[in-house]
Amino acid sequence: KAGVTQTPRYLIKTRGQQVTLSCSPISGHRSVSWYQQTPGQGLQFLFEYFSETQRNKGNFPGRFSGRQFSNSRSEMNVSTLELGDSALYLCASSLGVGTITEAFFGQGTRLTVV
Amino acid sequence: AQSVTQLDSQVPVFEEAPVELRCNYSSSVSVYLFWYVQYPNQGLQLLLKYLSGSTLVESINGFEAEFNKSQTSFHLRKPSVHISDTAEYFCAVSLSGAGSYQLTFGKGTKLSVIP
Repeated sequence: KAGVTQTPRYLIKTRGQQVTLSCSPISGHRSVSWYQQTPGQGLQFLFEYFSETQRNKGNFPGRFSGRQFSNSRSEMNVSTLELGDSALYLCASSLGVGTITEAFFGQGTRLTVV
Repeated sequence: AQSVTQLDSQVPVFEEAPVELRCNYSSSVSVYLFWYVQYPNQGLQLLLKYLSGSTLVESINGFEAEFNKSQTSFHLRKPSVHISDTAEYFCAVSLSGAGSYQLTFGKGTKLSVIP
């Protein structure tokens, strides 16, 4: 069974640009969550999608957005990049229904804004 | 809102010595509790979880954690550490019955095993 796949693994962007990150969850999983990890703030929840609908949202500015497709794949977009957006972005995949068991994480996308 | 506090940011320990990584949480409702491990340049891997039932949970690689509701703690322990245990460990909670898989993480504890 394939794990959670995030692409690309590494990305360098210039301040002011926009970026799109992709996440393919484990087959059969319908919930995808996104987290931002930085040395200063640690792991912070961005948003969760389930069946193409945003189910929950963290405390991030509107520059951060996401979506989920009918095949459960998800993308997150960050517009007007700032230096502070440099981080490891992690995607987590879960069944999304029934008793909560666990979230499976991808290896992340390392975004560097210069 | 729930929160998680990991009291130690860094824990050095000699190989084959015991270790305890501390985790306390705050929540007004019932929670599920998790420990995740992160190796350099990797994502997070689930180490163990407490959902209900026995308050002592174990992982396949010798770690264990005990849920203590009165002290709102979920400390992680291992009786004898190995070099390969060097990593960063994160304690996390999610709200039980919330229908959401949102995790709230602690700041992490870097475990360094000294040969």
